[in-house]
Amino acid sequence: SYELTQSPSVSVSPGQTARITCSGDALTKQYTYWYQQKPGQAPVLIIFEDNERPSGIPKRFSGSSSGTTVTLTISGVQAEDEADYYCQSADSSGSGTVVFGGGTKLTVL
Amino acid sequence: QVHLVQSGPEMKKPGASVKVSCKASDHTFRKYGIGWVRQAPGQGLEWMGWINDYNGNTNYAQKLQGRLTMTADTSTSTAYMELRSLSSDDTAVYYCAGGILSGGVIDYFDYWGQGTLVTVSS
Repeated sequence: SYELTQSPSVSVSPGQTARITCSGDALTKQYTYWYQQKPGQAPVLIIFEDNERPSGIPKRFSGSSSGTTVTLTISGVQAEDEADYYCQSADSSGSGTVVFGGGTKLTVL
Repeated sequence: QVHLVQSGPEMKKPGASVKVSCKASDHTFRKYGIGWVRQAPGQGLEWMGWINDYNGNTNYAQKLQGRLTMTADTSTSTAYMELRSLSSDDTAVYYCAGGILSGGVIDYFDYWGQGTLVTVSS
């Protein structure tokens, strides 16, 4: 089965840049999406199609892709960015089978 | 702005079934479909499947096939997720989420319901 791999945790100080990576073989063929989830809340889409931001998402959130690894970058991290971040993609068959990464806990020191 | 409102928490015994509803406001059924994602306590997100409520097509996660049914009532803008033969491993928050249909499938989710806690315990 298709899997996406994320590192479990990332820690940064306020104002620094956080980078969260996601790896998977099919990422060369499929778009990646990123969600932010704060405790007790539903996930929120923050990046779609590798590097596009939905309206209302701050510009400090950006996405990039290189081969089988995609990266969510948060520039000038703020305390409110502390959350779990999940990457998501679809399998390359075009069937619409969706897969989530295991999630990365971002801690703002 | 599309808004999804889910039914309330459920407590079930092992072996029982649960049916969770998800009512959409301003949901353009021919443009969007509804997916379901669950999250066990302290764990990550697990995709369960989605329904194209325009033509009724569904796509379920392989591990849940045979126990899972997704339906949609377009007259009331409500989607349903039924999971049968519950075990303690099914204890989780269940989210419905809306996504644009592209080529008849949902690739990602733009907006989410508030979640429904389903607890399975004897």
